Amino acid sequence: GQNIDQPTEMTATEGAIVQINCTYQTSGFNGLFWYQQHAGEAPTFLSYNVLDGLEEKGRFSSFLSRSKGYSYLLLKELQMKDSASYLCAAMDSNYQLIWGAGTKLIIKP
Amino acid sequence: GAVVSQHPSRVICKSGTSVKIECRSLDFQATTMFWYRQFPKKSLMLMATSNEGSKATYEQGVEKDKFLINHASLTLSTLTVTSAHPEDSSFYICSARGPGSDYEQYFGPGTRLTVT
Repeated sequence: GQNIDQPTEMTATEGAIVQINCTYQTSGFNGLFWYQQHAGEAPTFLSYNVLDGLEEKGRFSSFLSRSKGYSYLLLKELQMKDSASYLCAAMDSNYQLIWGAGTKLIIKP
Repeated sequence: GAVVSQHPSRVICKSGTSVKIECRSLDFQATTMFWYRQFPKKSLMLMATSNEGSKATYEQGVEKDKFLINHASLTLSTLTVTSAHPEDSSFYICSARGPGSDYEQYFGPGTRLTVT
């Protein structure tokens, strides 16, 4: 079956760095997405990885290892506004997104 | 660019009535639109995929007669929840994919449905 695993909740301190891990199993693979979702709002796109390696975009970076079925989202210089849920989603061979349950990130001052 | 709107953002209806939710791509033509629902603290659950001019493809366990989807044009898809019940209360989100894009989905802001 298809499955996405990510931690349910993480806590970090303002100004620090946090890494959110995601492992996936899908029928075929066409890329790994990370979305940010604030409570009561729709997800917003953060990153897309289809090749192995690290993609850096400002304070956010995303890493992919296809052989390990593993990705992480790295958030640097954390700000209070980064408190949100972070959704990992893998695209299968039919270009459908398989979603993780999301990681709730709590930022403390 | 790539803006998707949803209307209404919130709706409260009585049990037994029907509710229509609109999803529009404002600045691009969406060949494919997706409808999701999300329960509190849960992941997005894909309900159906709709392609313009053809019938929607529903995911297993989603009742097509209860959740009517119409993708009448390249910029509009509608989801009608028929004979709504309290258990249909949820956050409904649409997303759209443009032509020539295999992967990128643009999400609408979502619709909070409460059935009393």
